[in-house]
Amino acid sequence: EAGVTQFPSHSVIEKGQTVTLRCDPISGHDNLYWYRRVMGKEIKFLLHFVKESKQDESGMPNNRFLAERTGGTYSTLKVQPAELEDSGVYFCASSQVWTGRNNEQFFGPGTRLTVL
Amino acid sequence: LAKTTQPISMDSYEGQEVNITCSHNNIATNDYITWYQQFPSQGPRFIIQGYKTKVTNEVASLFIPADRKSSTLSLPRVSLSDTAVYYCLVGYSGYALNFGKGTSLLVTP
Repeated sequence: EAGVTQFPSHSVIEKGQTVTLRCDPISGHDNLYWYRRVMGKEIKFLLHFVKESKQDESGMPNNRFLAERTGGTYSTLKVQPAELEDSGVYFCASSQVWTGRNNEQFFGPGTRLTVL
Repeated sequence: LAKTTQPISMDSYEGQEVNITCSHNNIATNDYITWYQQFPSQGPRFIIQGYKTKVTNEVASLFIPADRKSSTLSLPRVSLSDTAVYYCLVGYSGYALNFGKGTSLLVTP
């Protein structure tokens, strides 16, 4: 079974440019999450989709970040315009339907974003 | 969310048993304790979860005392490939995982 995949693995852009990150969850997983770790910091939650609906976007840092999950399959995270402080590693994770306890989240390898 | 405290780093030789303790004094009644492992250049990976007493799987054991204010992840006979960062997470909803700083484990020959 294929795991969570992310594309690209690394992106280098200049400040002010736009970047779109893609995440393909494990097939059949309704829950999809985005996290990020910026330099020297801890991994932080960004948002959570249930199918195509945003369940919780409390971790999104500002309106330069836009996440979509059209059709409830893959998801994209767009940063526009990118700023220097957006540099870091962006992780995507997916999980099955919540069963009433902490559900296991399966993480992708991450996309390393470097903003120059 | 319950705050967790765990060692920043630990070193071990191959073949030894490694125990990583996590403190979570304000754990709530409904909270579960979950450990994730992260290798360099990879995303975190779930390794074990428990509510009370002891849980064991093919990777690790998790010991939780009766008061549940702490928990200990036990890795039997570690190998070089166990070098990773280990995160202790405490919560109920399971959605927004709250990763702390984790414990960086270095296994050497």
